[in-house]
Amino acid sequence: GAVVSQHPSRVICKSGTSVKIECRSLDFQATTMFWYRQFPKQSLMLMATSNEGSKATYEQGVEKDKFLINHASLTLSTLTVTSAHPEDSSFYICSAKTSGGANEQFFGPGTRLTVL
Amino acid sequence: LAKTTQPISMDSYEGQEVNITCSHNNIATNDYITWYQQFPSQGPRFIIQGYKTKVTNEVASLFIPADRKSSTLSLPRVSLSDTAVYYCLVDDYKLSFGAGTTVTVRA
Repeated sequence: GAVVSQHPSRVICKSGTSVKIECRSLDFQATTMFWYRQFPKQSLMLMATSNEGSKATYEQGVEKDKFLINHASLTLSTLTVTSAHPEDSSFYICSAKTSGGANEQFFGPGTRLTVL
Repeated sequence: LAKTTQPISMDSYEGQEVNITCSHNNIATNDYITWYQQFPSQGPRFIIQGYKTKVTNEVASLFIPADRKSSTLSLPRVSLSDTAVYYCLVDDYKLSFGAGTTVTVRA
């Protein structure tokens, strides 16, 4: 099946620094990628939708200047958490969707961000 | 985005069949019904997807009545490793995750 990877799997950073998370579709071209955030014992919350070559669409309440998303190619999307604070500590998950076929999304393994 | 309702939790024993029913009264014509499984600190894993009637794969079956306002995921002969959170989603493009159903399988 289709594989989506994320890097890093785990990151710890100091408050005020920026962190970049990569999401790659390894064996297919992803026209659309989604970014989610999941706090402990909660469900996934959609943060934004990104289409290759265009600006990301953010969900209500998600600061686009804080969570920078770039989808420069059909296999790579990046999420940069700028000026991270402890409340940004969470599990970040990406998913990728192909342009054709069944309406199925393939999820990455997630990135655990801890801001000290 | 269509909203789904599913039980918060279900308990079962090894070898039993587990059926999780999801309500999606406002499902749109273009919406598919998709079920995902998630283990702690992992991304969701696709289980099964359907549009109508019945779909079966190597791990589960999905039953969808004619009005498509609900669906039932059936996990045959569960094992301890099936303990996880199961999400039912109905969307054409973006996926909106509800609370999910925490299934606990006991020996």
